[in-house]
Amino acid sequence: AQKITQTQPGMFVQEKEAVTLDCTYDTSDPSYGLFWYKQPSSGEMIFLIYQGSYDQQNATEGRYSLNFQKARKSANLVISASQLGDSAMYFCAMREFGVTGGGNKLTFGTGTQLKVEL
Amino acid sequence: NAGVTQTPKFRVLKTGQSMTLLCAQDMNHEYMYWYRQDPGMGLRLIHYSVGEGTTAKGEVPDGYNVSRLKKQNFLLGLESAAPSQTSVYFCASAGLLNYNEQFFGPGTRLTVL
Repeated sequence: AQKITQTQPGMFVQEKEAVTLDCTYDTSDPSYGLFWYKQPSSGEMIFLIYQGSYDQQNATEGRYSLNFQKARKSANLVISASQLGDSAMYFCAMREFGVTGGGNKLTFGTGTQLKVEL
Repeated sequence: NAGVTQTPKFRVLKTGQSMTLLCAQDMNHEYMYWYRQDPGMGLRLIHYSVGEGTTAKGEVPDGYNVSRLKKQNFLLGLESAAPSQTSVYFCASAGLLNYNEQFFGPGTRLTVL
């Protein structure tokens, strides 16, 4: 089974509107972390936001928020007031703390390509 | 403070040739990682290191070797390149204390003909 599933290969949103990018995960580890990264067309990976499995509140970073629904195993990224510069590929990732070998390894989803339109 | 740097940025190899990708970080990070990114498949972990002198296999280690002789450097080697290794390779590092963020290098685009 896929550990991280992003079911939206591509999304369109109009400038200034909010958009939700979906991410579901699969783990039996009670301790884990969820991440979102942005990859613009230039190729670099930019860290956006982190949510720990024991965090009581949803993480927020500026216009980014993570809608964490633990029972449903989902960690959707919400971008408010979209800007043209938000057009990029977005990756959801997970780290399982109890995995043998440690190393804080990340498992990535396949990504969602977001296009912000005027 | 350059963060994570990768050398080279682009490379074209012929099948069977060998090469080494260099990753360097100046943040005194303990953890370092090599990923490959292929269209439609996200990033997949090749090898990683939890400290100087240590290496471990990731999800897709076959055909690659790594070394971490110095804390700041993590080398990825291809002994006999194959077309299936055409990809974009990313190096990343993370600190022991603040490991909630992996810092990524700019990537190396490798084409194997």
